[in-house]
Amino acid sequence: DTAVSQTPKYLVTQMGNDKSIKCEQNLGHDTMYWYKQDSKKFLKIMFSYNNKELIINETVPNRFSPKSPDKAHLNLHINSLELGDSAVYFCASSQGGLAGIYEQYFGPGTRLTVT
Amino acid sequence: SQQGEEDPQALSIQEGENATMNCSYKTSINNLQWYRQNSGRGLVHLILIRSNEREKHSGRLRVTLDTSKKSSSLLITASRAADTASYFCATDAITGANNLFFGTGTRLTVIP
Repeated sequence: DTAVSQTPKYLVTQMGNDKSIKCEQNLGHDTMYWYKQDSKKFLKIMFSYNNKELIINETVPNRFSPKSPDKAHLNLHINSLELGDSAVYFCASSQGGLAGIYEQYFGPGTRLTVT
Repeated sequence: SQQGEEDPQALSIQEGENATMNCSYKTSINNLQWYRQNSGRGLVHLILIRSNEREKHSGRLRVTLDTSKKSSSLLITASRAADTASYFCATDAITGANNLFFGTGTRLTVIP
């Protein structure tokens, strides 16, 4: 009965490849997020979706694209992977669309290593 | 940037002692949240404090907020080895982007 799940947990790939990370939440939440955590543990918002509409799009490269087939899923597609994309990527969800008001539930993370 | 900054970056204490972590931020906020991250895991929400609140308790956790100083503290009383983790504060912004801004965290080690 995992609340927010991500697959895969580990992803090792070569530069230039295209990869996807999947995220699913079974909490009935309206908003889902993608975060990137670098080697210094700094956590930065990348995207959020509210009712299948993008409501935040931080200044991330357009090689990254979120795709939400339905309210319970928010997948992250990454094209032409670069060494600097290596990080841990976290999916999260919350009840509403105002980020500060509701607690966020995080997935276990996907450690992406680009070689 | 609204990014919060935690202080200290690392803290090591004996089991049973209290641990205090501080967070400072730059712009006015509506709410401030604290999260815990165990090694290799996702973040877990601990407590949310609103800008019109000064103190909040949850079990062994006590959070204070001083909006005039743009700072917050997290106190963990009677620490346990299981409290070993990284602790992050996260703030929204009263204006501007609808984001949560996280700091780089305080790494707490509780020695049994």
